[in-house]
Amino acid sequence: DSGVTQTPKHLITATGQRVTLRCSPRSGDLSVYWYQQSLDQGLQFLIQYYNGEERAKGNILERFSAQQFPDLHSELNLSSLELGDSALYFCASSSDGTPYNEQFFGPGTRLTVL
Amino acid sequence: QKEVEQDPGPLSVPEGAIVSLNCTYSNSAFQYFMWYRQYSRKGPELLMYTYSSGNKEDGRFTAQVDKSSKYISLFIRDSQPSDSATYLCAMSGGIEGGADGLTFGKGTHLIIQP
Repeated sequence: DSGVTQTPKHLITATGQRVTLRCSPRSGDLSVYWYQQSLDQGLQFLIQYYNGEERAKGNILERFSAQQFPDLHSELNLSSLELGDSALYFCASSSDGTPYNEQFFGPGTRLTVL
Repeated sequence: QKEVEQDPGPLSVPEGAIVSLNCTYSNSAFQYFMWYRQYSRKGPELLMYTYSSGNKEDGRFTAQVDKSSKYISLFIRDSQPSDSATYLCAMSGGIEGGADGLTFGKGTHLIIQP
């Protein structure tokens, strides 16, 4: 158990809908990362937050957005969902958001878009 | 050409064999190199972390980084059936200031036969 929690575990929804994925980092960690894992693209970095502020952006679509709240939990919002958005979404946390420190991954949220 | 190339396998070896897993990359700015293990439908778990070129050993695992060849390896000695998993290489440090997500290979599926 990494100490990172993600809810829900599974989500099934329809095209065009909007969903919110939630992540709680390990106690004491200030930085949160979001990743998407699909069969064809592998594990891809989406976005990073540090202490409430956006720190780095990866391959995140404009239909996706995220935020980190004062209690350091984070939410990833996915809107206008398409079939191709079906994937595993992982949250990871690290103590200070630098490459020097390990990222601990949560168990993931499996999103299925029908 | 993808930034990180990794043979997806599957790689099947008998119990007790030495396993060699490899990745090549194209971004010469990468400074931090990691190997993650991922069991089916679980979050990735960090196995080894190396900064710049060199070797690092931890129990049955040895990580090697050759920055001149842009090539990293993970060796597993005395392989066990419980080592059966997908192994993902990851790297970072390509952005000044350290604010950066991880860039992953697509993973090698390893099977250790009892």
